[in-house]
Amino acid sequence: GIQVEQSPPDLILQEGANSTLRCNFSDSVNNLQWFHQNPWGQLINLFYIPSGTKQNGRLSATTVATERYSLLYISSSQTTDSGVYFCAVDRDNYGQNFVFGPGTRLSVLP
Amino acid sequence: DGGITQSPKYLFRKEGQNVTLSCEQNLNHDAMYWYRQDPGQGLRLIYYSQIVNDFQKGDIAEGYSVSREKKESFPLTVTSAQKNPTAFYLCASSLTGANTGELFFGEGSRLTVL
Repeated sequence: GIQVEQSPPDLILQEGANSTLRCNFSDSVNNLQWFHQNPWGQLINLFYIPSGTKQNGRLSATTVATERYSLLYISSSQTTDSGVYFCAVDRDNYGQNFVFGPGTRLSVLP
Repeated sequence: DGGITQSPKYLFRKEGQNVTLSCEQNLNHDAMYWYRQDPGQGLRLIYYSQIVNDFQKGDIAEGYSVSREKKESFPLTVTSAQKNPTAFYLCASSLTGANTGELFFGEGSRLTVL
């Protein structure tokens, strides 16, 4: 089945720094999402980005489907950005069967 | 407000007891999912349903059961056959069809077996 890898596994930043999180996947996909899991466990949608580039405030994401990777950029990080970031790809390309990567744990220090 | 409601948020169970976790959505989504998350790990798919009265096993369905009698509701039963039931359980929903599968999650239910 499709494999999803994320790097780095852990990241510690000083407030105000920028960061790039990476998601690699082993097969072609039509659907990819980025999530932020906050300290209470809630998963928040960040981007639905099967291809191309999207921006939302300090966050942006780029997916290069032909090369099987996606990047999540966080600029001017804040302590509230702390948590775990997951990417998820649709394993059967019908938007109904996502497999999740292991996540990147981000800690932003004041 | 539209969203996904899971209950209870916290649940304690004795070994050998079945427990049912509730998931209700008012997003008019066709598909619903149950995921399990263990500490420090990613999410693993337990069951999913694309339409009422139909559901499919995910990667770790053993020891779990589901029903989908209504579009809005997808309850998960953790049976006594599940060997390690202590975990964080997340329910999600999405539209169906190609390229429309954006997932939305509930707040989760944390189950502890004593």
